[in-house]
This record gives sequence, structure tokens and C-alpha cells, in this order.
Amino acid sequence: QVQLIQSGAEVKKSGASVKVSCKTSGYTFSSYGIAWVRQAPGQGLEWMGWIIVYSGDTNYAQNLQGRVTMTTDTSTSTAYMELRSLESDDTAVYYCARRAVVTGSFALDSWGQGTLVTVSS
Amino acid sequence: DIQMTQSPSSLSASVGDRVTITCRASQTMSSYLNWYQQKPGKAPELLIFAASTLQSGVPSRFSGSGSGTDFTLTISSLQAEDFASYYCQQTYITPWTFGQGTKVEIK
Repeated sequence: QVQLIQSGAEVKKSGASVKVSCKTSGYTFSSYGIAWVRQAPGQGLEWMGWIIVYSGDTNYAQNLQGRVTMTTDTSTSTAYMELRSLESDDTAVYYCARRAVVTGSFALDSWGQGTLVTVSS
Repeated sequence: DIQMTQSPSSLSASVGDRVTITCRASQTMSSYLNWYQQKPGKAPELLIFAASTLQSGVPSRFSGSGSGTDFTLTISSLQAEDFASYYCQQTYITPWTFGQGTKVEIK
């Protein structure tokens, strides 16, 4: 079955960087994209961007441009999300999700378990 | 950016009730609308894509409808396991945006 397993919780200082991994299995990694979504404590879902695995093309949320980089390693079917210059507002649970093409559109049809990133000053 | 507005933000209902959640987009977006369910401490799960297509494995009591700017998620007979938060999401244009969520609580 499709699985996305994320790396463990992180505690970072303001100004630092964090890199979250998302190891996938159960499907052909290069045939899909990977999206990243975050959720601040008690808040809703925020789309961060996605990467198309076979081409490496990315699309990032404008408010994160310049601070976020999404990459993949096809040899291990793993996706990565790096966020730099962390601020307290970046404290959130970060999710990876498989971006599937569905009847001409897109949906996030399988999700990782989430990684809590806590930013402290 | 397309703004997605869900209503209500929360509701209380009983097992067996029919529940309807609406999602309104700030501009027309055909049927590029998905619905997700999220239980506390868990990742979201896809319920419905392309406005009205049920994801594999999702119970038939869930249904979606709408196109353009107005969309609806309906639970025909609420079950205990349906108490959760629900989010709509547009994938018509980037940035993909989510509604603010609707929390369905036990009455």
C-alpha cells in the first residue's frame, strides 16, 4: 500500500534551517508529485508548494519564496523540504502528500504522518 | 489568490443527522475542488475530488456537489467516526488554497 513516512520532530532556534524528509513506498515515485502542507497549532491547512518528481519542476507559495526548497532523491524514493531563516511563525506540523492527477485536476491522495517543527527564540 | 470560505466554522450534530458544509470560492474555478477530513492529531485524508467524485474506500454517506464558485459536502447520516474537521481545497490555480475548516462536534 502507498506509504509516506516522515522524519521526526525538530526543535530549532530562530534563524536556523530545518530539512524534513518524506520516504515513500508502494507506488512508482517518479509518476507523481509531492506537495507540502503545514498546519500551525490550532490553525488550518496552508499549502507550501509542490515538486514534480520526474522533472524536478517546483511551484512554491509566494510567502515562502526564497526560504523554501523542495527536492527529491529518486534512488531512495524520498522527498525533502528545507525551510531556512526560521521564525516563530514557522512553528507547525509539516505534512508531505502525494500529488495525484485526478480527472484532469489534482488532489492530495496520500499523506505522511506529519513532522512537528518547533522554532524557539 | 482564490479565497475559499467555508461555512459554518463549526457545528454540533447528533449521530444520524444529515450535515451540510458549504465552501465558496472568490472566483469561478470549474470543479477543481477537493474535500478532506482531519481527525485530531492525524493527517488529513482525501474524501472527495473534482467536486463530486468519492475517493476509493470512502463511505457512500459522503457526497459532494457544486461547480463554479459554490460547493457542498454532505454527510447523509452522521456516524460517530465522522466527528472531525473538514477542509475544502481548490486546485484550479496556484497557490492552492484551503478553506478555514469546519469542525463537526457531538451535540
